[in-house]
Amino acid sequence: GQNIDQPTEMTATEGAIVQINCTYQTSGFNGLFWYQQHAGEAPTFLSYNVLDGLEEKGRFSSFLSRSKGYSYLLLKELQMKDSASYLCAGMDSNYQLIWGAGTKLIIKP
Amino acid sequence: DAGITQSPRYKITETGRQVTLMCHQTWSHSYMFWYRQDLGHGLRLIYYSAAADITDKGEVPDGYVVSRSKTENFPLTLESATRSQTSVYFCASSERENTEAFFGQGTRLTVV
Repeated sequence: GQNIDQPTEMTATEGAIVQINCTYQTSGFNGLFWYQQHAGEAPTFLSYNVLDGLEEKGRFSSFLSRSKGYSYLLLKELQMKDSASYLCAGMDSNYQLIWGAGTKLIIKP
Repeated sequence: DAGITQSPRYKITETGRQVTLMCHQTWSHSYMFWYRQDLGHGLRLIYYSAAADITDKGEVPDGYVVSRSKTENFPLTLESATRSQTSVYFCASSERENTEAFFGQGTRLTVV
């Protein structure tokens, strides 16, 4: 079956770095997406990886290893506004997104 | 307003009633999606559409109906609402099938 696994909740300190891991099993693979979702709001796009390696975008970076079925989202210089849920989604061979349940990130001062 | 909008934002309905959730996008994106989001679950795809007059089932289509007569609109109808359909519903659109999706603000539906 198809599955996305990510931790339910993580806590980090303002100004620090946090890595949110995601493992995926999809039927075929057409990329891995990360979205951010603040409580009560819509998900917003953060990153898309289809090739192995690290993609950096400001304070956020995303990494993909297709051979390991693994991705992570790295958030640097954490700010209070980064408190949100982070959703990992794998795209299968039919271009359908398989979503994880999300990782709730709590930032403490 | 530019973007993707859903209406209503909140809805309470009774079991057995028909209810329609509206979704409108101004980008002329080809693809549109309906998801439901429940605690402890990832977003689950209900239906999607690749273009006007083309719709297809997602992971959890039972009890729902969609139509897409115009590119910009993609309404979702619950034919006979059940309590298990209490959820937050998100509409989304994307330019192509493998590009980022833009989400509406969501509709919080409660079936009593």
